[in-house]
Amino acid sequence: LAKTTQPISMDSYEGQEVNITCSHNNIATNDYITWYQQFPSQGPRFIIQGYKTKVTNEVASLFIPADRKSSTLSLPRVSLSDTAVYYCLVGAPSGGYNKLIFGAGTRLAVHP
Amino acid sequence: SAVISQKPSRDICQRGTSLTIQCQVDSQVTMMFWYRQQPGQSLTLIATANQGSEATYESGFVIDKFPISRPNLTFSTLTVSNMSPEDSSIYLCSANPGPNYGYTFGSGTRLTVV
Repeated sequence: LAKTTQPISMDSYEGQEVNITCSHNNIATNDYITWYQQFPSQGPRFIIQGYKTKVTNEVASLFIPADRKSSTLSLPRVSLSDTAVYYCLVGAPSGGYNKLIFGAGTRLAVHP
Repeated sequence: SAVISQKPSRDICQRGTSLTIQCQVDSQVTMMFWYRQQPGQSLTLIATANQGSEATYESGFVIDKFPISRPNLTFSTLTVSNMSPEDSSIYLCSANPGPNYGYTFGSGTRLTVV
């Protein structure tokens, strides 16, 4: 499992775009990058997954450069409800067989 | 995506007793995973539960302390045995029924041992 490094915490204000970068220098050829969001008193929630270039869904965008050694989760126009911990994970899709190993995550605080 | 019902949501227990946490998935899954999360910390994997075989425990976790049952493809339990205050934590279960990529988590059990 590739080790990931992301900032411990970030602060932003409502309406701003937030970009959280994750480093994964040892990513393997068949690894995907997956981001989870965790609100207080809840379990983590899947946000987005990608392999290369750009992936966008209704919640976020994920940018992955050609070398795939890093990735950036982009949250457009954040609101107070986006205050949460965001985890970057790297691993091969397994259909539910592989265990997930969580790093420290990035604690995002959105201010009024 | 799958839905996991986890209970109890919280409990306060006396030291030396045991608590069993249940997770029910609304679809069949081969693997279920149990995590522990200390307040303000990340998730730590306790064990992987595969239906029909003994659970696989991560380093630092043992079956005698955290016995796991997996009687069928939609249900699992984790027991925290002979509890001490150090076991106070949030316990979560997880699974991925596929074919998409995201794992689903239960809402967690907040355990306080007094």
